[in-house]
Amino acid sequence: DGGITQSPKYLFRKEGQNVTLSCEQNLNHDAMYWYRQDPGQGLRLIYYSQIVNDFQKGDIAEGYSVSREKKESFPLTVTSAQKNPTAFYLCASSIVGLAGKNIQYFGAGTRLSVL
Amino acid sequence: DAKTTQPTSMDCAEGRAANLPCNHSTISGNEYVYWYRQIHSQGPQYIIHGLKNNETNEMASLIITEDRKSSTLILPHATLRDTAVYYCIVSTQIKAAGNKLTFGGGTRVLVKP
Repeated sequence: DGGITQSPKYLFRKEGQNVTLSCEQNLNHDAMYWYRQDPGQGLRLIYYSQIVNDFQKGDIAEGYSVSREKKESFPLTVTSAQKNPTAFYLCASSIVGLAGKNIQYFGAGTRLSVL
Repeated sequence: DAKTTQPTSMDCAEGRAANLPCNHSTISGNEYVYWYRQIHSQGPQYIIHGLKNNETNEMASLIITEDRKSSTLILPHATLRDTAVYYCIVSTQIKAAGNKLTFGGGTRVLVKP
């Protein structure tokens, strides 16, 4: 099936630890995105990438890092510098084109908690 | 980024049409209106989008006012599975191509039997 796979579904982080969230897509999309969602809130953009080996900061990039070595994969690392990492993390992908053409499709999310 | 305003919550009777309003009075001429919904603890699901014309697909209809300052999402025959948070979003073009979706608080829709 075509889609976006996020893993793991649940993740626990210890103080001072970096953790990496996986996002893989087989939709042949060029653009990929990471969002963070806090309880009862909407989504906020962390990072996005429109092509392999290129990515841009979103609205809340501090404490996060990404890489885009393959078209299919866009992992997100939550570093120890992110002081409040507990949240629901969502990955999305889309084609690259004019604003009316690039519908974003989302994965099922990873719920990160701090021990 | 253009902001949207939606009711915090609304109830709807099963089998009836659900009309979800959204105000986006600061929308620019080239910005699209997107609707997504999110069922509890899942990723958002795309519903429909439009620029200035009304749109319809298998899930819903989107009615955009002539001045583009507001829109209404219509779910023609609501079912219990339509219970979700519905987000109205004005899409902003980023860099050369691609769009940024800014999610507000959305409308929590409860479909009742």
